[in-house]
Amino acid sequence: EAQVTQNPRYLITVTGKKLTVTCSQNMNHEYMSWYRQDPGLGLRQIYYSMNVEVTDKGDVPEGYKVSRKEKRNFPLILESPSPNQTSLYFCASSFEGRSTEAFFGQGTRLTVV
Amino acid sequence: DAKTTQPPSMDCAEGRAANLPCNHSTISGNEYVYWYRQIHSQGPQYIIHGLKNNETNEMASLIITEDRKSSTLILPHATLRDTAVYYCIVRSRYSGAGSYQLTFGKGTKLSVIP
Repeated sequence: EAQVTQNPRYLITVTGKKLTVTCSQNMNHEYMSWYRQDPGLGLRQIYYSMNVEVTDKGDVPEGYKVSRKEKRNFPLILESPSPNQTSLYFCASSFEGRSTEAFFGQGTRLTVV
Repeated sequence: DAKTTQPPSMDCAEGRAANLPCNHSTISGNEYVYWYRQIHSQGPQYIIHGLKNNETNEMASLIITEDRKSSTLILPHATLRDTAVYYCIVRSRYSGAGSYQLTFGKGTKLSVIP
């Protein structure tokens, strides 16, 4: 089954404790991205990757890192999480950036206390 | 990418057709109209997209006006499971430089009522 898998689904952590949210897709998609969703602000892109070793900032990249060492994986790293990074996070992938449908993961609800 | 305007909310009786409008008056000739939906904090789900011809798939139909300034997503027989926020997005058909992001607006919250 074609899917984008995020882990964990829920995470509560403390300020400053490094964490990684994993994202994996099984569709051989070139393009992957991360979004965060906050009430009243909608979905905003954090980072995206057009292919292996090619990443770039989205609208809200501050406080996040990503890497794309393999085509299927695109982890989101919070080196020093802060409470303002409490949010619902989605990973997405598509065959190419603009002209095809995107597949989204089920989301990771992160709470930073 | 062109901006879109959608009503904030709509109700639809179960079993009836749900018609969700979207205005995209500044759309350019190389831009597609996409529809996604998000069911209660799940990941957004692709529904359908089109350029200028009407499109239909197993989920929905997309009607685009001749001038392409507006479109309507039609769910032919709405069920309670179709209750969701529906997003209309306009995107260039071409790959190339740019952020490749999907720009989600506020969407339309569709409530299907028993």
